Amino acid sequence: EDQVTQSPEALRLQEGESSSLNCSYTVSGLRGLFWYRQDPGKGPEFLFTLYSAGEEKEKERLKATLTKKESFLHITAPKPEDSATYLCAVIRGTSYDKVIFGPGTSLSVIP
Amino acid sequence: EPEVTQTPSHQVTQMGQEVILRCVPISNHLYFYWYRQILGQKVEFLVSFYNNEISEKSEIFDDQFSVERPDGSNFTLKIRSTKLEDSAMYFCASKTSGVTDTQYFGPGTRLTVL
Repeated sequence: EDQVTQSPEALRLQEGESSSLNCSYTVSGLRGLFWYRQDPGKGPEFLFTLYSAGEEKEKERLKATLTKKESFLHITAPKPEDSATYLCAVIRGTSYDKVIFGPGTSLSVIP
Repeated sequence: EPEVTQTPSHQVTQMGQEVILRCVPISNHLYFYWYRQILGQKVEFLVSFYNNEISEKSEIFDDQFSVERPDGSNFTLKIRSTKLEDSAMYFCASKTSGVTDTQYFGPGTRLTVL
């Protein structure tokens, strides 16, 4: 069964304290992996799509990497406005469009 | 920047009533989706829609659910007879074409079934 897990469940950082969020997946024939940011009561906001092991993408203080079994979202020198839930999601090669989401990591950045 | 929009932002209904949730996808997008998120749980795929037909649906999307693109801009999700367990945030998403996989999400409609 396709599965996406994320760790930690929650993470509390001091402003400027860099860290990484982990996404592990078990999916037959991964076609792509996504990272989204979700603020409370809002829809997922797209951050990155990764397709191949070894691929990296960067946006401001965020960098996403992909291996054959997992993905990492690195947050460098976070600011309070980076506080949100970060969702990892995958899509299978055999699926038209069904995106399978992980449970998310809730990040709090304390000033 | 173009966005997916959804109305209403919050819908309260009585159990057994029909509800229609509305979405306006990004204008040049061709693929449309509905997801739901029960409070405190994962975002779950419901259905995908392309070329005026359902292309994929999950086991959640049973006969109580239906989708429609009634005109060139709107995409709707209908729940025929709501149950308490249908209470959730419902998100609409869209993407441009079959070449890309990235789906863009709307702000959601919070459905409360009493």
